[in-house]
Amino acid sequence: QSVLTQPPSVSGAPGQRVTISCTGSSSNIGAGYDVHWYQQLPGTAPKLLIYGNSNRPSGVPDRFSGSKSGTSASLAITGLQAEDEADYYCQSYDSSLSAHVVFGGGTKLTVL
Amino acid sequence: EVQLVESGGGLVKPGGSLRLSCAASGFTFSSYSMNWVRQAPGKGLEWVSSISSSSSYIYYADSVKGRFTISRDNAKNSLYLQMNSLRAEDTAVYYCARDSGIAVAPTPIDYWGQGTLVTVSS
Repeated sequence: QSVLTQPPSVSGAPGQRVTISCTGSSSNIGAGYDVHWYQQLPGTAPKLLIYGNSNRPSGVPDRFSGSKSGTSASLAITGLQAEDEADYYCQSYDSSLSAHVVFGGGTKLTVL
Repeated sequence: EVQLVESGGGLVKPGGSLRLSCAASGFTFSSYSMNWVRQAPGKGLEWVSSISSSSSYIYYADSVKGRFTISRDNAKNSLYLQMNSLRAEDTAVYYCARDSGIAVAPTPIDYWGQGTLVTVSS
């Protein structure tokens, strides 16, 4: 059970917009720590999608965006495409953990 | 091109030991902090351990503290994870992963290896 809570699954039709939430608390996201998002396509290693709450690494389409407010963060995907079907993970720090680094439980995105 | 290639995974009995290696290339290995992140079959990501560029700072998840040891050899561009007293719940794909060096907290991981599977079973 992670201290960062994500919905187990979300779905959307091609072309639609979906959002994935990452809910934390005052010891992690609410404490001001940054949130990063990773995309893991089936059978592959994770890939950095969003860093520092809302920044996209080079090569990541602008269909992907991130935001943070209070104790939560969100990943939004617009113009959904079949190749977006993957698992998505948020990552942050938590001051209540001895080594601080924590991932959310992950969200499976299904493109209908 | 940045490459991280893990090796050393396999089948081991409960209580046994295993040493994972990660060969890095395509970047100045000695300038980056490195991590081990694992993923149990069908489960999510779990950060395991990290080591700073000069090995001055080392951190472990509570779940492996006292049993796993992370180390690196900058002369050989290699990262290691010594795993002792292995348990069934350590069964997972273990990824070698590079800290990006981007100045945010936490530092995001920008490159991952393909992973090596560790299975702990009798």
